Amino acid sequence: QSLLTQPPSVSGAPGQRVSISCTGSSSNVGAGYDVHWYQQLPGKAPKLLISENTNRPSGVPDRFSGSKSGTSASLAISGLQADDEADYYCQSYDSSLSGAVFGGGTKLTVL
Amino acid sequence: QVQLQESGPGLVKPSETLSLTCTVSGGSVNSYYWSWVRQPPGKGLEWIGNVYHGGNTNYNSSLKSRLTISVDTSENKFSLRLTSVTAADTAVYYCAKFVGDWFDVWGRGILVSVSA
Repeated sequence: QSLLTQPPSVSGAPGQRVSISCTGSSSNVGAGYDVHWYQQLPGKAPKLLISENTNRPSGVPDRFSGSKSGTSASLAISGLQADDEADYYCQSYDSSLSGAVFGGGTKLTVL
Repeated sequence: QVQLQESGPGLVKPSETLSLTCTVSGGSVNSYYWSWVRQPPGKGLEWIGNVYHGGNTNYNSSLKSRLTISVDTSENKFSLRLTSVTAADTAVYYCAKFVGDWFDVWGRGILVSVSA
């Protein structure tokens, strides 16, 4: 059971917008620690998508955006494309574990 | 830009020691923290631990008693050693560069199976 809770799956049609939530607690997200997001395409290594809640690394399309409020964060993907189909993970720091924690992952299906 | 490559045996017997190495290219291990993350088949990501070039480490408490992560600055690589493995340690093991408190560069991963 992950300390960061994500929905197991979300789906959307091409061109639509979807959002993936990441809910933490007072020892991680609620304590003010940043949330980061990773995209894992099938059979591939995770790739950094969003750092520090809202920052897109160079090369990540602006269709991907992140936000954080209180004990939760969200990843939004607009203009869905077929190759966005992947697993998405949130990650933060947890003070009770003194280390990084990941959400359980969300599988995005593009209908 | 930094690239990472994991290496090591793909099969380890139960109760034995799992040893992996991550070779850093395009940059120096004498900067940043370096990490190991694993992913059991069909499951999510689990942080294993970090090492800094000076040798300081930070481990997942659930693995701490079996875990050693070290860095070799002369060969620009860092390593993971996990003792007394069981089937529950079967996973794809990733090495990653840890900056701030996130992982910005990942290796391709190596599948390690624990089986007799």
